[in-house]
Amino acid sequence: GAVVSQHPSWVICKSGTSVKIECRSLDFQATTMFWYRQFPKQSLMLMATSNEGSKATYEQGVEKDKFLINHASLTLSTLTVTSAHPEDSSFYICSARDNTASDTQYFGPGTRLTVL
Amino acid sequence: GQNIDQPTEMTATEGAIVQINCTYQTSGFNGLFWYQQHAGEAPTFLSYNVLDGLEEKGRFSSFLSRSKGYSYLLLKELQMKDSASYLCAVNQAGTALIFGKGTTLSVSS
Repeated sequence: GAVVSQHPSWVICKSGTSVKIECRSLDFQATTMFWYRQFPKQSLMLMATSNEGSKATYEQGVEKDKFLINHASLTLSTLTVTSAHPEDSSFYICSARDNTASDTQYFGPGTRLTVL
Repeated sequence: GQNIDQPTEMTATEGAIVQINCTYQTSGFNGLFWYQQHAGEAPTFLSYNVLDGLEEKGRFSSFLSRSKGYSYLLLKELQMKDSASYLCAVNQAGTALIFGKGTTLSVSS
């Protein structure tokens, strides 16, 4: 299957700082990428849909000013958690949709964020 | 509304066969995916069905009946490493996949 990378794989930061997470599709172009959050033993929660060249679409209840998404190219989307707080600590996972493979979404390995 | 149902938990023993069911009610349908997610890791793609019938891929098979809004994932010759969550997801063309809450499978020796 296709490969999606995510960086960093884990990050620890102080409360009030901002953290940027990168998601890259390595062997296919992705006009659409998705950002999810997952708390321990809970299901994936879609945060937003990232569209190359246009604004992201956020799910209800997700603050767009706090979770900044930029989809600068067909292979890169970034999620910036601004002014992070301990309640933002979670497992953040991106996925990229491969339009040439029946719209299969391939997931990155995830980023574990811990805010102290 | 959108609804995808799968059992919360299942248990089985090594070498056995297990079937994980998924029923869905969505406003659109353009295919159904199964993903495997080990604890602390991201989901990995297992299978995709868009037409009715059975798709076989090694020890794993997936079945779809669009008229019944039903799919199952069949795992044969279970191994300990198959202990994971299995996620059923529906594609509605142009939108994000809609995921079920996942079925946690525990395989014991």
